[in-house]
Formats: sequence, C-alpha cells, structure tokens
Amino acid sequence: ILNVEQSPQSLHVQEGDSTNFTCSFPSSNFYALHWYRWETAKSPEALFVMTLNGDEKKKGRISATLNTKEGYSYLYIKGSQPEDSATYLCAPPRGNTPLVFGKGTRLSVIA
Amino acid sequence: EAGVTQFPSHSVIEKGQTVTLRCDPISGHDNLYWYRRVMGKEIKFLLHFVKESKQDESGMPNNRFLAERTGGTYSTLKVQPAELEDSGVYFCASSHSGLTDTQYFGPGTRLTVL
Repeated sequence: ILNVEQSPQSLHVQEGDSTNFTCSFPSSNFYALHWYRWETAKSPEALFVMTLNGDEKKKGRISATLNTKEGYSYLYIKGSQPEDSATYLCAPPRGNTPLVFGKGTRLSVIA
Repeated sequence: EAGVTQFPSHSVIEKGQTVTLRCDPISGHDNLYWYRRVMGKEIKFLLHFVKESKQDESGMPNNRFLAERTGGTYSTLKVQPAELEDSGVYFCASSHSGLTDTQYFGPGTRLTVL
C-alpha cells in the first residue's frame, strides 16, 4: 500500500498572501510525482510531473520542489488570488502507472 | 486538440439497475485510466488500459464492474447490478506514454445510485 499524506487538509489565506503545502510519500521505489489542481465539478488539472531529486518546477505563480530521498514535495503559491481556490492533489504512481492520490489540500483564498 | 470527454456527465439510477459510462481519450493516447472518487474520500485507481489490453485492473472493486476498450479507442465502464456504495464520481484519464507522462483527466461522470 502506497501511503500519500498531504498537509494541511485545508488552508484559508488572504488575497496576496503566499502559501505552501506538503505532500509526503514513501521514498523507496520512487518513479515520479504528479501535482494536480482540482476545482469541484471540474476535472483535475495537471500542474507538474516531477521525477528527479531536487527538481523545481514553476507555472506562473505556482512552483513545486521535490525531495525523493526524504519523500516529500512542497507546492508554493506566490501572491494568492481568489481564482487559486481549489483542492491541490499530489499523486505518485504506484508501480507501473496508476496514480495514488492523497486527500488533497483545500485552499480558500479570501478577497 | 480535444481533451478527454466522458458521457454522461450525471447518471441517477436505482439499486440493481445497470449503467454504462463512456470515456473518449485524447486522440493518440494509448494509455487510458479509470479512477473513482467516493464522497469525502481520495480519488482511487480502478484500472489501466494500454491500447485495448488491460494492463492493471487491481483497483476494480468487484465483478460487478466491467471495463472494455475495444479497438483501443474509447472505453466503457459498466456497473451491473449497481449498488448504493457505487455512488461517486468516475474519472477517466489518458496519457501518451506511461509512468512520468502527464495524465489528462476528463470531467467525470457523477453516478448516484438510489
């Protein structure tokens, strides 16, 4: 069983604040880590696929780092906007390809 | 380029009935996945096709669920007979290749079993 933990479960920030949250996963047999942004009633939107220890990826105001040795990834959002409100999911593949999703971090940005 | 599409978007059926969900992956994507989210829980893997072959069906809950991908294009997921605990959102995703390739998700089918 692949155990994926995300923290915090939920987060409320003011517009303009920067924030970050964590995804923890087993470091053994690591292949890749996927980050998704998911608004309820929509499909999960792919943000990043990270594969190498020390990887840093950036997409606009959102960035992520990866530490495969200790089994964690951070997602950062700079200058949060109301449209960033969503659930952010991380998912390492288990074995071949199926993704194992964490419960996500629900972000609410208050204007 | 069209994304992953799913049909229907919503389905409400009674316990014991049959429902068939359809997924059309992105054109050219050999890999097709089915996932399910039951309310309040994580998104869980159901099965994985590579072209028309089932690569991994370890997440299928029981033999009431049958998935097919004839011809390696669209896929169907049939639930027969449906039970109350089958209610949830069924997502389909596709990717060009495996492991490190982005999986693109469809909008999901919300299934409610009464």
